[in-house]
Amino acid sequence: QLQLQESGPGLVKPSETLSLTCTVSGGSIISSGYYWGWIRQPPGKGLEWIGSIYYTESTYYNRSLTSRVTISIDTSKNQFSLKLSSVTAADTAVYYCARHLYSYGSSYFDYWGQGTLVTVSS
Amino acid sequence: EIVLTQSPGTLSLSPGERATLSCRASQSVSSSYLAWYQQKPGQAPRLLIYGASSRATGIPDRFSGSGSGIDFTLTISRLEPEDFAVYYCQQYGSSLTFGGGTKVEIK
Repeated sequence: QLQLQESGPGLVKPSETLSLTCTVSGGSIISSGYYWGWIRQPPGKGLEWIGSIYYTESTYYNRSLTSRVTISIDTSKNQFSLKLSSVTAADTAVYYCARHLYSYGSSYFDYWGQGTLVTVSS
Repeated sequence: EIVLTQSPGTLSLSPGERATLSCRASQSVSSSYLAWYQQKPGQAPRLLIYGASSRATGIPDRFSGSGSGIDFTLTISRLEPEDFAVYYCQQYGSSLTFGGGTKVEIK
């Protein structure tokens, strides 16, 4: 059974960079047709896709966050990571990592991590 | 960017009743790229439906999806106690977006 687990600081200061890692277990991150994505959810609000990465390091991002987001992947560790720069209180959210089936004719998230709350505050 | 509008915001129903949730897109979405998720408090979303009408693995057949173009529907034929949750639709067009969610609450 595929499992994903987010890790990283739960508190980040304004203007600094948020960094999270997602560790994949129970399967390989090198998986044809599957990207690996980040989605966030501010407290009490809806879901926002941040971006996704393929094992070849091909990435695509939410246009509204492109200037501040970097997603990378480490296939040797079966991990992928998120960096979000210049954070503000508006970036406070539960951050989820998920497996993203993204191929011709399909795009959805079928396995999710439990999520980790990141608070932006001084 | 395609905006997904879900209605109603909240649906108050009793166990055993039928739930009909709407997801309307600001422009046409390929059915292949429309999915539905269920989220319970404190939990990650769970994939229910992909390709507008295909149930994900392990999803009971009381959940069904339909629609095309700009109008999509998630139907729960008979609500079970565990179905009271928030439901989100998601599309991939030129970018990937989620709807604002519909909360199905116990009446």
